[in-house]
Amino acid sequence: GAVVSQHPSRVICKSGTSVKIECRSLDFQATTMFWYRQFPKQSLMLMATSNEGSKATYEQGVEKDKFLINHASLTLSTLTVTSAHPEDSSFYICSARDGGSAKNIQYFGAGTRLSVL
Amino acid sequence: SQELEQSPQSLIVQEGKNLTINCTSSKTLYGLYWYKQKYGEGLIFLMMLQKGGEEKSHEKITAKLDEKKQQSSLHITASQPSHAGIYLCGTHGSGNTGKLIFGQGTTLQVKP
Repeated sequence: GAVVSQHPSRVICKSGTSVKIECRSLDFQATTMFWYRQFPKQSLMLMATSNEGSKATYEQGVEKDKFLINHASLTLSTLTVTSAHPEDSSFYICSARDGGSAKNIQYFGAGTRLSVL
Repeated sequence: SQELEQSPQSLIVQEGKNLTINCTSSKTLYGLYWYKQKYGEGLIFLMMLQKGGEEKSHEKITAKLDEKKQQSSLHITASQPSHAGIYLCGTHGSGNTGKLIFGQGTTLQVKP
């Protein structure tokens, strides 16, 4: 299957700093990528849809100035958590949709565990 | 809005036993995806079903979509410890945004 690489897998930072998470589709082009957040023992919550070459679409309740998304190429989307605070600690997962497939399958990265001290 | 409900929420089975996980939709399903997640990791794509009555298999895992396209089941035959994890069903929401809506997940433990 298609491979999506997410980096870093784990990050610990101090409150007030910014953290960047990268999501790359390794063997396919992804015009659309998605960013999710997952709380312990809960399902995935979609944060935003990242579209190559245009602005991201954020879900209701997600602060776009807090969670900056950039999708500069067909294989890379980044999520920057700006001025992180302890309440931003969570598991963040990205997915990429294979634009060359009619099946609209989303392939997921391995996730990033963010801990803000 | 469309919602997916999975049952059971959690399951503990003895190694070698068969099991079934269900995913019920509040609306007609136009594409149903099954994923597996291990704790603290990403989701692994298992199967996609589109047509009513469709059935697909991958190794010892079989997924079906019912004729009315409102329910899917995932069946594991002769479960192994490697099958342990969280199983999630997902489908696209309304519109053509590509967004996935997920069920709440079913946590499976397989006792050796």
